[in-house]
Amino acid sequence: RKEVEQDPGPFNVPEGATVAFNCTYSNSASQSFFWYRQDCRKEPKLLMSVYSSGNEDGRFTAQLNRASQYISLLIRDSKLSDSATYLCVVNYNDMRFGAGTRLTVKP
Amino acid sequence: DAGVIQSPRHEVTEMGQEVTLRCKPISGHNSLFWYRQTMMRGLELLIYFNNNVPIDDSGMPEDRFSAKMPNASFSTLKIQPSEPRDSAVYFCASSKNPQVTGANVLTFGAGSRLTVL
Repeated sequence: RKEVEQDPGPFNVPEGATVAFNCTYSNSASQSFFWYRQDCRKEPKLLMSVYSSGNEDGRFTAQLNRASQYISLLIRDSKLSDSATYLCVVNYNDMRFGAGTRLTVKP
Repeated sequence: DAGVIQSPRHEVTEMGQEVTLRCKPISGHNSLFWYRQTMMRGLELLIYFNNNVPIDDSGMPEDRFSAKMPNASFSTLKIQPSEPRDSAVYFCASSKNPQVTGANVLTFGAGSRLTVL
């Protein structure tokens, strides 16, 4: 079993749609969690950290469920510029990435 | 801040040749990570250093791969001999102390795209 698992997608949604990604992790002792965004042929960049109580940054909401060992990312009112691959990251002494979920937002 | 600097950005080489990838982390970051990314396997952690010391190299595929960090501002990843299956994008990333929650945000370099023919 992979340490961090994501649905690879692709998710194809129209502008303005709400889309949600989930990610599960295997190590219950994992300490911190993040979502990164990666554009085509670019490096991953931090989108947001994920806090135990859930957190929001504009149109983006991240949640953590330690009991079920998953994190989620919700994007509301999606924009064309949100098209990218979204990577969940789990930290336990090192930083392990999921394979990423590809999102395409269409006009 | 110049960010994490990697070189070369692109390299094409022939099977059997030695490849050396270089990384300069962000000044003040004491953890450095090497990742490999392919379509099939995604982003894989190869090795990471804390205060220039290798902490976990369990992701290094085999003995052909080696990594060093002789000082806080420089690291190398070497493949010798290279094989076609090593073709991938190799990312270097740095962070502050990974043991400190909230301080361990990774900043990536632009990557080194390696093609082994």
